[in-house]
Amino acid sequence: SAVISQKPSRDICQRGTSLTIQCQVDSQVTMMFWYRQQPGQSLTLIATANQGSEATYESGFVIDKFPISRPNLTFSTLTVSNMSPEDSSIYLCSVLKTGTSYEQYFGPGTRLTVT
Amino acid sequence: AQKITQTQPGMFVQEKEAVTLDCTYDTSDPSYGLFWYKQPSSGEMIFLIYQGSYDQQNATEGRYSLNFQKARKSANLVISASQLGDSAMYFCAMRRANTGGFKTIFGAGTRLFVKA
Repeated sequence: SAVISQKPSRDICQRGTSLTIQCQVDSQVTMMFWYRQQPGQSLTLIATANQGSEATYESGFVIDKFPISRPNLTFSTLTVSNMSPEDSSIYLCSVLKTGTSYEQYFGPGTRLTVT
Repeated sequence: AQKITQTQPGMFVQEKEAVTLDCTYDTSDPSYGLFWYKQPSSGEMIFLIYQGSYDQQNATEGRYSLNFQKARKSANLVISASQLGDSAMYFCAMRRANTGGFKTIFGAGTRLFVKA
């Protein structure tokens, strides 16, 4: 398995500010993903972040709003920029275990509230 | 386009009984994977079971089994001998095996309530 930690675990932010969420994995992984889960909803993929390449964003998500860094095989950050109350969600980091196509693990999530 | 459908927003089951959570999917890809995750109130996503589209036998993991009916495009989760700790949100998910960047899409989820 893979152990994933996220910082911060939760935060309350003011409208118009930005928050950077960190994701740390205890082993090297090729594929990392960022998801958003709005209250009472399912998970929506924001982007795929592979080391050494630009993140690939899903429809409805753009780099200016959700810039992602992936400096190495164990770490990634997601920034939520110019926040509005609609950005209040849980943000989850996820990794696909290298060498498999199905072992996907999730971090504990970052609960963001924008006021 | 890929799609996952979970038609049961909520389900109740008596402790120690079995329960089936429904999931149907839609894809034109021949190779894909189907998953079930459990999300308790703590928010963590717990991987339960995986079924590959070419697997001949239904997947089983302890009390969890996946009833895979490929022709019907269904991948129902069966939980046997329900326990109070099984009360949680359950998500069905699908991933194309090699194309599409290994992206996983999730259904809307089913909230399971286990009654004592």
